[in-house]
Amino acid sequence: EPEVTQTPSHQVTQMGQEVILRCVPISNHLYFYWYRQILGQKVEFLVSFYNNEISEKSEIFDDQFSVERPDGSNFTLKIRSTKLEDSAMYFCASSEGLAGRHTQYFGPGTRLTVL
Amino acid sequence: AQSVAQPEDQVNVAEGNPLTVKCTYSVSGNPYLFWYVQYPNRGLQFLLKYITGDNLVKGSYGFEAEFNKSQTSFHLKKPSALVSDSALYFCAVGPNAGNNRKLIWGLGTSLAVNP
Repeated sequence: EPEVTQTPSHQVTQMGQEVILRCVPISNHLYFYWYRQILGQKVEFLVSFYNNEISEKSEIFDDQFSVERPDGSNFTLKIRSTKLEDSAMYFCASSEGLAGRHTQYFGPGTRLTVL
Repeated sequence: AQSVAQPEDQVNVAEGNPLTVKCTYSVSGNPYLFWYVQYPNRGLQFLLKYITGDNLVKGSYGFEAEFNKSQTSFHLKKPSALVSDSALYFCAVGPNAGNNRKLIWGLGTSLAVNP
């Protein structure tokens, strides 16, 4: 069964450093998402991406964040200058069509630790 | 504003007994409703969803959920719990309107099934 994959599984970085989190969505899916989950808190939507552009973003997704689909398979989240409060589990998801009617399938997550 | 509530942080049930994990929602219009499960150190796995049609939805691993419009609830149920069902369960809602329909998440309920 096709699945969303994410690398790395765990990333440790120093405050102020840039990190790139990588995702390979399910191959025939057209919509891509990033969510994050701070330890003990709810899952929060960050951004959605369709047709090579951001279609929606939350207030969390400020100028330090960016997303890219550099080739036909990868979907990346870049955090330019990490802060302590960026420490969280980051989940990538993809769906065949618009979320809601079409299920979002999630990757296993990348645990980001900012020291 | 759309919201999801999972009123119980933790649910404990004995193996073989029926289980219920509660979810209520607030959204304008008809909702799309989802349940996901998160096992330790794993991603979010889709269990089931309600889009339209029958109020009782059957999903993976013997789980089902009942959509109750008058009570704005979408409780997750299983007739006979297994120890392996022990995990974190998330209810999510996607509004049936708008362009992108990101998921809004509950805080999660930790289910412990005791042998």
